[in-house]
Amino acid sequence: GESVGLHLPTLSVQEGDNSIINCAYSNSASDYFIWYKQESGKGPQFIIDIRSNMDKRQGQRVTVLLNKTVKHLSLQIAATQPGDSAVYFCAENNPGGSNYKLTFGKGTLLTVNP
Amino acid sequence: NAGVTQTPKFRILKIGQSMTLQCTQDMNHNYMYWYRQDPGMGLKLIYYSVGAGITDKGEVPNGYNVSRSTTEDFPLRLELAAPSQTSVYFCASRLLAGGTRDGELFFGEGSRLTVL
Repeated sequence: GESVGLHLPTLSVQEGDNSIINCAYSNSASDYFIWYKQESGKGPQFIIDIRSNMDKRQGQRVTVLLNKTVKHLSLQIAATQPGDSAVYFCAENNPGGSNYKLTFGKGTLLTVNP
Repeated sequence: NAGVTQTPKFRILKIGQSMTLQCTQDMNHNYMYWYRQDPGMGLKLIYYSVGAGITDKGEVPNGYNVSRSTTEDFPLRLELAAPSQTSVYFCASRLLAGGTRDGELFFGEGSRLTVL
């Protein structure tokens, strides 16, 4: 099975609410995690990353939380806007073997209702 | 900078035909990747390259070939197209230099391929 997966395939929120997108990973050796956003018809875009020696990292309106105990990653989006509607992917970097490949999860579709 | 440019954006192939998806980047990135994305699914790595002259297989390399003769270009070749290769293909590049955003892949807009 996939080493990176998501608890919720779809998420619908009201504009202005906070969104939380979850991701589970199975490889405890993964040392680096990234969230990507993919708008319809476009390639994924980098949002935020976090290394395994951190528990939390904040960006502009986004926060990534890493819980290594349960191998769980989450992306929090504050004050969600219609422009945040997209598919969100988590990806992990596994240092085993080649250090240069990212494994992507299936993605969560976020829909923001006005 | 144009970033990562892929051509063509759309293509329909017949079973058994061959074609090359072109990818070029102008950011002087050392790493380049080809992914495929099936409907409702995540990205699967086909091939990647850590520099000119060096390529390696990803998760799903069967039916594809690549070359990396220059830093800028990383074409993906389909020799005998099959319906299972119907997908959206994304090329990406990355500057792996020990910096703070090493995981940032820069993606092209994608190439939608249909094999009938």
